[in-house]
Amino acid sequence: EDKVVQSPLSLVVHEGDTVTLNCSYEVTNFRSLLWYKQEKKAPTFLFMLTSSGIEKKSGRLSSILDKKELFSILNITATQTGDSAVYLCAVGGLAGNMLTFGGGTRLMVKP
Amino acid sequence: NAGVTQTPKFRVLKTGQSMTLLCAQDMNHEYMYWYRQDPGMGLRLIHYSVGEGTTAKGEVPDGYNVSRLKKQNFLLGLESAAPSQTSVYFCASSLWRGGDEQYFGPGTRLTVT
Repeated sequence: EDKVVQSPLSLVVHEGDTVTLNCSYEVTNFRSLLWYKQEKKAPTFLFMLTSSGIEKKSGRLSSILDKKELFSILNITATQTGDSAVYLCAVGGLAGNMLTFGGGTRLMVKP
Repeated sequence: NAGVTQTPKFRVLKTGQSMTLLCAQDMNHEYMYWYRQDPGMGLRLIHYSVGEGTTAKGEVPDGYNVSRLKKQNFLLGLESAAPSQTSVYFCASSLWRGGDEQYFGPGTRLTVT
């Protein structure tokens, strides 16, 4: 059974801080790891990672995958109040037809 | 281009009542999914479909049924609602297989009293 564990469960920081969110996984025949941001409604896609060691960046957000140690991190630099959200990590296997989601990390950025 | 839409947005049911949630996508995606999200539990897959006329069980299928008669629509049914089915329900779709990016609908908040 595929499994995804995210840490920490929640985090409170101040604007301008840098945060690192963690995602560890167990999946049969790994294919991809995805990060989503969820504010009040639907999750929105951030990154999809398939190869180890290659950083993906989008503005102040970046993510990297370690397929040997079975984890990924999501970094957010110079945080803003608009970064407050739940961040979800999900993994997909080669043989499966679905994603397995972790429980999420709730980030609150205070002014 | 509306993406993924869900109907209704909110619903309150009494125990034992039935209802159907409708998901529609206009991206010509093959794969469609129904999730439920409970506080602190992330997203759990209820049922999914890999194409028109096909359905399969996910992680938490009990108490739900689904149908995919048309490629663009995926229906989730509750035959006899229970308070444990109080949740937010999300529909999603993806172009191909499950490891690909999924696009989510806005969600349906269901309360069963």
